[in-house]
Amino acid sequence: AQKITQTQPGMFVQEKEAVTLDCTYDTSDPSYGLFWYKQPSSGEMIFLIYQGSYDQQNATEGRYSLNFQKARKSANLVISASQLGDSAMYFCAMREGRTGNQFYFGTGTSLTVIP
Amino acid sequence: DVKVTQSSRYLVKRTGEKVFLECVQDMDHENMFWYRQDPGLGLRLIYFSYDVKMKEKGDIPEGYSVSREKKERFSLILESASTNQTSMYLCAIGTAEPSGNTIYFGEGSWLTVV
Repeated sequence: AQKITQTQPGMFVQEKEAVTLDCTYDTSDPSYGLFWYKQPSSGEMIFLIYQGSYDQQNATEGRYSLNFQKARKSANLVISASQLGDSAMYFCAMREGRTGNQFYFGTGTSLTVIP
Repeated sequence: DVKVTQSSRYLVKRTGEKVFLECVQDMDHENMFWYRQDPGLGLRLIYFSYDVKMKEKGDIPEGYSVSREKKERFSLILESASTNQTSMYLCAIGTAEPSGNTIYFGEGSWLTVV
């Protein structure tokens, strides 16, 4: 079974609107971490946001927030007030265990922001 | 800020050539990774190193080797490059943070084997 599933290969959003990128995960480990990365066309993978499995509140970083629904095993990324520079690939990832070094990545979602 | 530097952004090599991809970090992190990224396949781990001269195979180590002689440098080696190794290669470091281990990436190296 896939550890990380991103079901949206491509998404479009109007500039200044909010967009949600879906991510579901599969693990039986009670301790895990969830990550989102942005990859512009230049190729660099940029760390955006992190959510720990024991965190009570949803993580937020500026315009990024992570909608963490533990029972549903989902970790959706919400980008508010989209900007043209948000056009990129977005990857969801999971680490099992607090000190684990095995990271599982989804296949990514391509986001295009329309002016 | 975490800094991971990959020495070559774009390379074109011939089939059968030996290829070195270098990755350097500016902090004292133990864990370093090499991933390969292909469209539709996401990121796949090639090798992982948790200390100098220590390494572990990832999901797709065949056709690759690695070297870590110094803590700050982790090299990926293609002993005899083949066209199916044309890909994007990403180096990463793992940092131990209070919230748990986190991974940060370099800029990526686009390798074309002709």
